[in-house]
Amino acid sequence: NAGVTQTPKFQVLKTGQSMTLQCAQDMNHNSMYWYRQDPGMGLRLIYYSASEGTTDKGEVPNGYNVSRLNKREFSLRLESAAPSQTSVYFCASSVDRDYNEQFFGPGTRLTVL
Amino acid sequence: GENVEQHPSTLSVQEGDSAVIKCTYSDSASNYFPWYKQELGKGPQLIIDIRSNVGEKKDQRIAVTLNKTAKHFSLHITETQPEDSAVYFCAAEGSNSGYSTLTFGKGTMLLVSP
Repeated sequence: NAGVTQTPKFQVLKTGQSMTLQCAQDMNHNSMYWYRQDPGMGLRLIYYSASEGTTDKGEVPNGYNVSRLNKREFSLRLESAAPSQTSVYFCASSVDRDYNEQFFGPGTRLTVL
Repeated sequence: GENVEQHPSTLSVQEGDSAVIKCTYSDSASNYFPWYKQELGKGPQLIIDIRSNVGEKKDQRIAVTLNKTAKHFSLHITETQPEDSAVYFCAAEGSNSGYSTLTFGKGTMLLVSP
């Protein structure tokens, strides 16, 4: 099992460009999450999907959209990137919303110039 | 929503010493408290967790204690080793529109010197 995989590992964008961060898990988990990690700020929840077909906003959703493509895949889209979105992005998954052990991917380091 | 405070932000110990990291939370309805370890360049990894129906849980050199009345929980690492050097995050389960989500503390950088 690969667990949670994320692509790309690194990305540099110019202000105003768009991109999609990809996430996939092979653990048959129902719930998936997107976090951002900034220095001194810990992990902050952007969006989550409790189950296939549902998505909900987390603590910091502005400037992002998500798609739960199927049970395995959960993508995060930046429509018009801003320097404030420079961060490390982590995808995570858990069995379901009532069993909270979350498994994290290796992260995507995004820089917006 | 849930608010989690974590202290200290950095902690330096000598190999073999014990390390303690403390967290407080605000939502008295929270009942799940995991601890994650993040090594440089990697994603966080769960090392131990505790649910509100117990006060302490131990796994080899790692233990977590929970005081629900005071709304705080702590991570204890005994006989520290250089490979314990990493950033540690506590988290608490909170409710977001009826679903449970985790709120993380800001992290503690632990440095274990040989």
